[in-house]
Amino acid sequence: AQSVTQLDSQVPVFEEAPVELRCNYSSSVSVYLFWYVQYPNQGLQLLLKYLSGSTLVKGINGFEAEFNKSQTSFHLRKPSVHISDTAEYFCAREDRGSTLGRLYFGRGTQLTVWP
Amino acid sequence: GAGVSQSPSNKVTEKGKDVELRCDPISGHTALYWYRQSLGQGLEFLIYFQGNSAPDKSGLPSDRFSAERTGGSVSTLTIQRTQQEDSAVYLCASSLAFSGGFEQYFGPGTRLTVT
Repeated sequence: AQSVTQLDSQVPVFEEAPVELRCNYSSSVSVYLFWYVQYPNQGLQLLLKYLSGSTLVKGINGFEAEFNKSQTSFHLRKPSVHISDTAEYFCAREDRGSTLGRLYFGRGTQLTVWP
Repeated sequence: GAGVSQSPSNKVTEKGKDVELRCDPISGHTALYWYRQSLGQGLEFLIYFQGNSAPDKSGLPSDRFSAERTGGSVSTLTIQRTQQEDSAVYLCASSLAFSGGFEQYFGPGTRLTVT
């Protein structure tokens, strides 16, 4: 069973519109959660992460995400997108207490912002 | 400071040949990870190193894959007798420590094409 599920493979949106990229996870232990962004022909870059504390996490480039333990979700949002936000976005989890530190990634969501 | 670097950026090889992929992590990062990104499988964890030691090799897809890290720095991923299904982008990442929600910094990847 997939342990990190990104519900939309592609999200098209017009410039200055709000956007939400959805992510659900499953794990038998507590988790750390991450959103990474991959611009064309570049490596992955961390947008934001949830470790503990406040469930609303703010990241770079105006993105934020909310951790919802009861719904096992970690959706990414931005109130107004720019063309430069066009990229692929990956949700990932790391199991707390694991000695591996490995990340489990979702399949990614391609965000395309149109003028 | 310099980020994670990988070489070569692109590699085309014939089926059956061996290839070596190199990763230079960020100086001082004790943890190093290899992932594979392909259309069919998304982002898959392959192996990670704590210093020069790889405690868990179960993510390697077959015994044709091996990896080593020397001096707590450079790592090499070797694929022997390459197959077409090995075609993918191989990503390397490093972090300050191997668990606890530390950010993994990714290199730009090596695109491997097996013909």
